[in-house]
Amino acid sequence: DIQMTQSPSTLSAFVGDSITITCRASQDINNWLAWYQQKPGKAPELLIYKASILESGVPSRFSGSGSGTEFTLTISSLQPDDFATYYCQQCKSYSGGLSFGGGTKVEFK
Amino acid sequence: QVTLKESGPVLVKPTETLTLTCSVSGFSLSNARMAVSWIRQPPGKALEWLAHIFSTDEKSYSTSLKSRLSISKDTSRSQVVLTMTNVAPVDTGTYYCARIWTTAKHAVDYWGQGTLVTVSS
Repeated sequence: DIQMTQSPSTLSAFVGDSITITCRASQDINNWLAWYQQKPGKAPELLIYKASILESGVPSRFSGSGSGTEFTLTISSLQPDDFATYYCQQCKSYSGGLSFGGGTKVEFK
Repeated sequence: QVTLKESGPVLVKPTETLTLTCSVSGFSLSNARMAVSWIRQPPGKALEWLAHIFSTDEKSYSTSLKSRLSISKDTSRSQVVLTMTNVAPVDTGTYYCARIWTTAKHAVDYWGQGTLVTVSS
């Protein structure tokens, strides 16, 4: 099974800051990586797929990059609505199943 | 408009079997570009993928839970059913069904609202 490791697990920041979250895969997943945002009591929402493609309606301050085993999610100029938990998810092979990272909680500093 | 809605028991006793139903609308379970997954989240913890099913009826399960899970679909009723046997308190959490756009995105683009299941005697 492919393991996904996110860092940091918690990130404290101010409104206006630029932040980066890292996700590492235990094996090469090409660019089959997605990022989700989850707010308390809500289902996650898709932000980015195929490592760098912004889902429709997602603000351009969100960006993703990477391929192979290392990926990043960057939020430039953090907004109050961005304080949430973020998850990465790989889908290299459907027969092998999806797997998620452990999550990164972005909180007010 | 694509929607997914989970239904099932709120409370289940240890050792019992949990059956959850996902009712979908806005797309067909016979659409070759889509699959439906079940994903769960224990309180305060991370997301965990459980299983998914394709239009062809091909299925895939979490390695750690494979022996306890079964996923099926009824295309005519637009429903996907997940069964988990021999539940324990560690299975407590919110269970989501979700749509994967397999060809274009390889990601979950729609989620249900989730249903909280508590395992307790």
